Amino acid sequence: GNSVTQMEGPVTLSEEAFLTINCTYTATGYPSLFWYVQYPGEGLQLLLKATKADDKGSNKGFEATYRKETTSFHLEKGSVQVSDSAVYFCALSDLNTGNQFYFGTGTSLTVIP
Amino acid sequence: DGGITQSPKYLFRKEGQNVTLSCEQNLNHDAMYWYRQDPGQGLRLIYYSQIVNDFQKGDIAEGYSVSREKKESFPLTVTSAQKNPTAFYLCASSSVGGAKNIQYFGAGTRLSVL
Repeated sequence: GNSVTQMEGPVTLSEEAFLTINCTYTATGYPSLFWYVQYPGEGLQLLLKATKADDKGSNKGFEATYRKETTSFHLEKGSVQVSDSAVYFCALSDLNTGNQFYFGTGTSLTVIP
Repeated sequence: DGGITQSPKYLFRKEGQNVTLSCEQNLNHDAMYWYRQDPGQGLRLIYYSQIVNDFQKGDIAEGYSVSREKKESFPLTVTSAQKNPTAFYLCASSSVGGAKNIQYFGAGTRLSVL
């Protein structure tokens, strides 16, 4: 079946530090992969996506590369800001199973000045 | 502006009461979804609908009901059978298929039991 596993949180970093949040997936077909971000008390917002192997999604300084050989989609940012403090969710969508999305459990990030 | 509107933002339920959460979208999306989020946890799928007048149970449908009479609307009723309803409820919508398969979320409804 389909599933997403992401690194446990919470993660606390100092401003300007390098961020990596690990995400691995299991899928029966050829999934699209996503990172969503959730700020306190709000819904999820799409951060970036990749639809095929070796694609790199990027947005607001965040990047993730679709690695089929390692079934991974790790989120990275070179220099985090206090405003990046949020919960980050990795997700996959597999058209072979309709339009359902499969979400990881989320990783809480706190950036301190 | 196009988007998904959930209302109310906060909702309180008394014992034995049914309550309905509203979700409306003007994105012309065919598919709509309801998720439940508990503190520190991920999203769990309650119900989803890919077309008007049709919907399917998700992983935790017991104690919930939905309807899809209009393309833009997908209300969720939390029934008295749901014994632990306190949670953050998120509605989402998406187009069907291909590169358009991105889910867009509303701002959520926080439900508490009095």
